[in-house]
Amino acid sequence: GDSVTQMEGPVTLSEEAFLTINCTYTATGYPSLFWYVQYPGEGLQLLLKATKADDKGSNKGFEATYRKETTSFHLEKGSVQVSDSAVYFCALILPLQGAQKLVFGQGTRLTINP
Amino acid sequence: DAMVIQNPRYQVTQFGKPVTLSCSQTLNHNVMYWYQQKSSQAPKLLFHYYDKDFNNEADTPDNFQSRRPNTSFCFLDIRSPGLGDAAMYLCATSRGQGNNEKLFFGSGTQLSVL
Repeated sequence: GDSVTQMEGPVTLSEEAFLTINCTYTATGYPSLFWYVQYPGEGLQLLLKATKADDKGSNKGFEATYRKETTSFHLEKGSVQVSDSAVYFCALILPLQGAQKLVFGQGTRLTINP
Repeated sequence: DAMVIQNPRYQVTQFGKPVTLSCSQTLNHNVMYWYQQKSSQAPKLLFHYYDKDFNNEADTPDNFQSRRPNTSFCFLDIRSPGLGDAAMYLCATSRGQGNNEKLFFGSGTQLSVL
């Protein structure tokens, strides 16, 4: 079935470091891809998305490009901040009856030290 | 302003004692979802409502039920909680008008089973 695999965490970086969190997917067809972020004690927030091959999603300095040839959607940020500390989930979306189902990766916990 | 509101934030129940978690939304969205997120795992869809139509995931245990008395409210009932049901329960909504829609998540209810 359709699935998402993320790099193992946790990831610990220093402030202003470059960030990459790897994500690959297995899917029938070409589903839309998402990155969600979960700050401590909070629900999930959409960070960025891409709906077709070669699309680049971006938000708050984060970017991810939908790569059909490698079935990947890696998250990157050039200079991380302490406030970026959170758990990041890669996800794909499947259609349901009148709705959508998000299939998430296992999440990557990111800690940024000052 | 909170758009998807979950109450309570933390819920403690006893093994086998029925418990109800609540979710309300101010977005007037057609679709409401319940996800279960166990510690350090990805959120997993339990079921969703499209308007009044209930849709259960195939692997959701019978112990989990849901009610949606009106557009704004949705409840998750756990009839006989076991220790393995301790988790964060996330409510989400979407308009239900397309395949690439954004889901709006609440902050979640953390359920503990003693």
